[in-house]
Amino acid sequence: LAKTTQPISMDSYEGQEVNITCSHNNIATNDYITWYQQFPSQGPRFIIQGYKTKVTNEVASLFIPADRKSSTLSLPRVSLSDTAVYYCLVGDLRVNYGGSQGNLIFGKGTKLSVKP
Amino acid sequence: DAEITQSPRHKITETGRQVTLACHQTWNHNNMFWYRQDLGHGLRLIHYSYGVQDTNKGEVSDGYSVSRSNTEDLPLTLESAASSQTSVYFCASSEGWAETQYFGPGTRLLVL
Repeated sequence: LAKTTQPISMDSYEGQEVNITCSHNNIATNDYITWYQQFPSQGPRFIIQGYKTKVTNEVASLFIPADRKSSTLSLPRVSLSDTAVYYCLVGDLRVNYGGSQGNLIFGKGTKLSVKP
Repeated sequence: DAEITQSPRHKITETGRQVTLACHQTWNHNNMFWYRQDLGHGLRLIHYSYGVQDTNKGEVSDGYSVSRSNTEDLPLTLESAASSQTSVYFCASSEGWAETQYFGPGTRLLVL
């Protein structure tokens, strides 16, 4: 099972670009990488997902190197409302169809604090 | 609008009691998940289901069970609650195995 490691916390200022890296050294071939955002007393909310190279949507970019042992979530021009905990998720549940137990492994999360 | 709800939102129980947490989604998603969230551990998968009558164990399934009798609901049962099961529990659903998961608001459980 892939184990993920993220920085516990990061600080930034409004308008800056923030990059959060997640390490997943033993990621499996079928595993996708997904990032979620969580505000206090709420459930996580999807940000972005990728398998390799670079993915961009309206809120973030996700960079995945060729070896896929890490991934970096990039938040452009953060605002105070981006203060939250960010989780990377690695896994694949499809393997369960073949008899093996699949799994989804969340990182422990990175608490991002954006200051004025 | 489609949504995913959890009940109760807060629960206090005693050690040894059976507790059931409800999860209901109106997305018509095939996949449903239960996670627990604890300080220092992040989110950990308890059980998941690909569809009606299907259930599978996750990373921390000991002491928990689920059943899927319809598409909309995946109740989580703690057979005999233990203090170590004090946690915040999140239910989620997704359309496909690699698709976005939509999370419920969570249930905060305290086992005394």
